[in-house]
Amino acid sequence: GAVVSQHPSWVICKSGTSVKIECRSLDFQATTMFWYRQFPKQSLMLMATSNEGSKATYEQGVEKDKFLINHASLTLSTLTVTSAHPEDSSFYICSYTVDTFGSGTRLTVV
Amino acid sequence: AQSVTQLDSQVPVFEEAPVELRCNYSSSVSVYLFWYVQYPNQGLQLLLKYLSGSTLVESINGFEAEFNKSQTSFHLRKPSVHISDTAEYFCAVCPMDSSYKLIFGSGTRLLVRP
Repeated sequence: GAVVSQHPSWVICKSGTSVKIECRSLDFQATTMFWYRQFPKQSLMLMATSNEGSKATYEQGVEKDKFLINHASLTLSTLTVTSAHPEDSSFYICSYTVDTFGSGTRLTVV
Repeated sequence: AQSVTQLDSQVPVFEEAPVELRCNYSSSVSVYLFWYVQYPNQGLQLLLKYLSGSTLVESINGFEAEFNKSQTSFHLRKPSVHISDTAEYFCAVCPMDSSYKLIFGSGTRLLVRP
């Protein structure tokens, strides 16, 4: 079946720096990728939908300038957390379809 | 709008006992229904899904869920659990018109004790 490779698995960064998370579709072409965020002991919330070759669609309440999403090719979607703060510490997961998820990225901002 | 309610945040159960994890949903449109399992610091794995047809769906590892339209429920059951079933379980819905956008419940932690 379809496989999405997500990197890094975990990252620790200092406040004010930016972090890029990548999701690659290994054996298929993805025109759309969904990005979810999961705070500790909470459920997953859809942040945004990336669309190949066009602007991402953000859910209400998600800061577009803080969470930059790029989908420049049919096999790569990236989420960049800019000027990260401790409150951005979370688990970020990408998804291609309802049964194809990345393995997740644990972000800790110190 | 849609919402998913998982009333039990944690369900402790002894090994080989049966278990039911409850899920209720609310939606103004027809939805697809899903159960996912998440092990610590890992992504989600699809456990089973209801798209149409038989209201009872089964997974390969012994879990089953039944879609009840009148009660808007999709409870997950297993007749005999193993220690390895200890994980977080998420119920989710996807509106049929939404192109794979998932709305998740708050999750239920299944804790299987020896």
